[in-house]
Amino acid sequence: DTAVSQTPKYLVTQMGNDKSIKCEQNLGHDTMYWYKQDSKKFLKIMFSYNNKELIINETVPNRFSPKSPDKAHLNLHINSLELGDSAVYFCASSQAVGQGAGANVLTFGAGSRLTVL
Amino acid sequence: DAKTTQPNSMESNEEEPVHLPCNHSTISGTDYIHWYRQLPSQGPEYVIHGLTSNVNNRMASLAIAEDRKSSTLILHRATLRDAAVYYCILRASILTGGGNKLTFGTGTQLKVEL
Repeated sequence: DTAVSQTPKYLVTQMGNDKSIKCEQNLGHDTMYWYKQDSKKFLKIMFSYNNKELIINETVPNRFSPKSPDKAHLNLHINSLELGDSAVYFCASSQAVGQGAGANVLTFGAGSRLTVL
Repeated sequence: DAKTTQPNSMESNEEEPVHLPCNHSTISGTDYIHWYRQLPSQGPEYVIHGLTSNVNNRMASLAIAEDRKSSTLILHRATLRDAAVYYCILRASILTGGGNKLTFGTGTQLKVEL
């Protein structure tokens, strides 16, 4: 079983559309993240949730809305897609902040490549 | 977040050791040094982390300078499968509100040749 799974793997859509990317982890972790990797390969954190509570929000436009129905899932909804949203989006998870050595380690999904035309 | 500096790229021959350097002169006393790697078309993968002492695991070794202003990731025998971008990252201490936030730099592209 894949530890951190994202769907879809590829997503091609038109500007102005609304789309969602789903993420699920089966590691029993309490903390989940969304990272964005742009065309220049820079990886930037967008959001982090700890047990369904938002703990990191890195100046991301309001068009991006993460939703965590439970601690095993963190979905990313994007409204009014723009060309600049084209990127690979990575979901990740880790043990809760501060809980032993495991808290240091993030497990990433394989990524979801979003292309906005 | 304290910044790290890595060479843009390095080359190695298969079966030879590889030493990937990282400078982090502004590291704070409670920052952990993490290494992740990203293989082509995959998500980042944890490699190793340490605080002050050198660390070994099944993937690699981490050598940390005594003043902690630099570190070196050591792959003992590079294989073609080790070709990836290697990121050296300072994990902000939870004591300063950093939580588990990892800030990735540009990393080092490691090329492994036969």
